Amino acid sequence: SQTIHQWPATLVQPVGSPLSLECTVEGTSNPNLYWYRQAAGRGLQLLFYSVGIGQISSEVPQNLSASRPQDRQFILSSKKLLLSDSGFYLCAWSVRTGVLNEKLFFGSGTQLSVL
Amino acid sequence: KQEVTQIPAALSVPEGENLVLNCSFTDSAIYNLQWFRQDPGKGLTSLLLIQSSQREQTSGRLNASLDKSSGRSTLYIAASQPGDSATYLCADGLTGGGNKLTFGTGTQLKVEL
Repeated sequence: SQTIHQWPATLVQPVGSPLSLECTVEGTSNPNLYWYRQAAGRGLQLLFYSVGIGQISSEVPQNLSASRPQDRQFILSSKKLLLSDSGFYLCAWSVRTGVLNEKLFFGSGTQLSVL
Repeated sequence: KQEVTQIPAALSVPEGENLVLNCSFTDSAIYNLQWFRQDPGKGLTSLLLIQSSQREQTSGRLNASLDKSSGRSTLYIAASQPGDSATYLCADGLTGGGNKLTFGTGTQLKVEL
């Protein structure tokens, strides 16, 4: 069966510090991978998605970047965190098929607090 | 730009009650709509996925319907239980938009004993 691991579960970082959140998927190959952010009282916002190794699409201009060094590994990074980067970050994956109806599977999330 | 709205934002019901959660979207050119459940501080769990060609999907006590022409979807929960307490989110994907979903802000449900 497929599983998705996301860590850490919680993180408190000072403003200006770097960030690295990691997500890995097991039990499947060649998945679509996604990073979402959920701010308090707001819906999930898609930050990045990837359809393959080294292929990253950014949905919104921001202080963050993403990388996919391996097929089932997705990393969210920042060189210098801002207060506005605080939020709940969720990694997700979907099976890449020929039709646009893939179901999304989410990780357990990382609560990031930038102080 | 697709906008997804969920009403009500919060709902409290007694155990055993049947209830309906609402989701509306502005662009009817969707290829699917999904309902998710989120427990506090946790990730999302997919409940039901309705493809654009379908009218409804059922799983146990859950039934989701889709009316593209009116831009609405509903999630019906029968015989609610305290374990159903969670935030329920709907999300849709636009045709031609890949698998990029637009999420609503959710309905926070509390089922009381």
